[in-house]
Amino acid sequence: AQSVTQLDSQVPVFEEAPVELRCNYSSSVSVYLFWYVQYPNQGLQLLLKYLSGSTLVKGINGFEAEFNKSQTSFHLRKPSVHISDTAEYFCALGTGTASKLTFGTGTRLQVTL
Amino acid sequence: EPEVTQTPSHQVTQMGQEVILRCVPISNHLYFYWYRQILGQKVEFLVSFYNNEISEKSEIFDDQFSVERPDGSNFTLKIRSTKLEDSAMYFCASHRRVSNNEQFFGPGTRLTVL
Repeated sequence: AQSVTQLDSQVPVFEEAPVELRCNYSSSVSVYLFWYVQYPNQGLQLLLKYLSGSTLVKGINGFEAEFNKSQTSFHLRKPSVHISDTAEYFCALGTGTASKLTFGTGTRLQVTL
Repeated sequence: EPEVTQTPSHQVTQMGQEVILRCVPISNHLYFYWYRQILGQKVEFLVSFYNNEISEKSEIFDDQFSVERPDGSNFTLKIRSTKLEDSAMYFCASHRRVSNNEQFFGPGTRLTVL
């Protein structure tokens, strides 16, 4: 069975500060990893994905994430956040043999002035 | 850019009533999913559908739930007799190839059971 852990339920940060949202996973098979963002009262938008190849992946809105197989992590980073980045961020895992996505519990990023 | 659409955006129903949630996946996609998100909780997988049949379902997806692709474009989720605990946001998702699982999500239907 697969699982995704997002240890931080909330991350408060000031505008223009850097941020890291943590994601750890557990799986006995190869994984694909995703970060989705959910703005208030909206659906899920794909931020970035790791499928294979380079372990550093870049996504939309200046976000990037690094796949670390030895630490089973896929942390999301942004060097300078904006107020508009305030949202819920979900890490998700998929596998090649089971197509469903397994989501973490989400991290609420709250950006303030 | 093509996108997944869902209707209605909000559905209010009485306990015990049947509801049908509708989704139009991206046109060349082959794999379809329903997920739900109870308020304040994580997104949970319900069911996946490929080649006109269910390929996987979770323990949440009991006999009260069914899915159908009645034509070439719509993908529906039916709840036969709704319960209070079915209140949630329901998301439809689709993707083209199983090899990368890059799923595109619709905006969701908020179901409120009274």
